[in-house]
Amino acid sequence: DQQVKQNSPSLSVQEGRISILNCDYTNSMFDYFLWYKKYPAEGPTFLISISSIKDKNEDGRFTVFLNKSAKHLSLHIVPSQPGDSAVYFCAAVRSGGSNYKLTFGKGTLLTVNP
Amino acid sequence: ETGVTQSPTHLIKTRGQQVTLRCSSQSGHNTVSWYQQALGQGPQFIFQYYREEENGRGNFPPRFSGLQFPNYSSELNVNALELDDSALYLCASSRSLTDTQYFGPGTRLTVL
Repeated sequence: DQQVKQNSPSLSVQEGRISILNCDYTNSMFDYFLWYKKYPAEGPTFLISISSIKDKNEDGRFTVFLNKSAKHLSLHIVPSQPGDSAVYFCAAVRSGGSNYKLTFGKGTLLTVNP
Repeated sequence: ETGVTQSPTHLIKTRGQQVTLRCSSQSGHNTVSWYQQALGQGPQFIFQYYREEENGRGNFPPRFSGLQFPNYSSELNVNALELDDSALYLCASSRSLTDTQYFGPGTRLTVL
């Protein structure tokens, strides 16, 4: 039973345009969400996070939107750059649980074309 | 400031053998979590250590065990290796239990 779903295995965008990566979750106990970026042969790199008390968090070119009623979040990258090409993982946390484990989606491969 | 490091980078073992993977947490971090990432999947939580005590475990059998040392580095041990244990093993450290987790580069384990 996958509690965090990234339904698009891949996404291709042109340099300078907006990239939108989507993530859905089923467990209503999740209250903190993170996005990680992963290059081949490297570990995931933390990008941005959002608490369930907010609906938007922005950091430079990266913005995460959270729609709690729809159990949906998205990561916007504007403008997209070729160096953004990587696998992006959405992760969720139940902060009131006994441990602070991350539950990940399967990832979306983003390709930004020059 | 040194990030999270893991050793070895790659490892090849045969079925039934035992393996130990190592992780050095980032300076100032007291919590270490281990994840298994199979091909085409997202990382899956194995277990977490906080101040040398196990603090939660995912859906992995007891042949997966771990340790955290006084310097907060950690080991993941897997006994009786199976073919399905072939995966990338990721270690993540955080400043505290609820802080952001920062990942190492991983150890690629292949079981033949």
